[in-house]
Amino acid sequence: SAVISQKPSRDICQRGTSLTIQCQVDSQVTMMFWYRQQPGQSLTLIATANQGSEATYESGFVIDKFPISRPNLTFSTLTVSNMSPEDSSIYLCSVNRGDSLANYGYTFGSGTRLTVV
Amino acid sequence: AQRVTQPEKLLSVFKGAPVELKCNYSYSGSPELFWYVQYSRQRLQLLLRHISRESIKGFTADLNKGETSFHLKKPFAQEEDSAMYYCALRAGGYQKVTFGTGTKLQVIP
Repeated sequence: SAVISQKPSRDICQRGTSLTIQCQVDSQVTMMFWYRQQPGQSLTLIATANQGSEATYESGFVIDKFPISRPNLTFSTLTVSNMSPEDSSIYLCSVNRGDSLANYGYTFGSGTRLTVV
Repeated sequence: AQRVTQPEKLLSVFKGAPVELKCNYSYSGSPELFWYVQYSRQRLQLLLRHISRESIKGFTADLNKGETSFHLKKPFAQEEDSAMYYCALRAGGYQKVTFGTGTKLQVIP
């Protein structure tokens, strides 16, 4: 199964600034997923990142606010731009654990706890 | 659009008591259901999948299409089961997964 390294694990940022979160996977994966988990809420998918194409954003999320890079099959970044306190959340990346049709589980990074002040 | 509902935010049970974490879903096609667990200070991890009909750490979950439910059950709760549990649905043919709001299971010694 894939192992994901996500960093930073936490950060406190000033409003108006941007933070880039990195995810490194120890094996090649087609799709990587970025989630947000606001305090007391469930995980909400921000976007799906495919290598070699633009990310696909979910309703309520836009590329200008959450630009994503996917330069190769093992790495992706999510930037939270022009931050406000409402962006305070945990951000997680995720990949599918396997290519087999019988294996639909997803592996998650350890998360980035972002606090905007 | 798919939706996953976990009606209980918190479920407290005594050690040795049976556990049932409820999950209902709405989806017009054939769903794939999962349970994920997050122990304190650990990352979210897959607990079990309906497709494999497995029992992990004593937990089982049966997909009931008639009731559109995928409740997680364990006959005898243990203290180490205390964690946050998320039910999740993957729409057939798509990689996107929709999560429920989660239920915190607290096992009282």
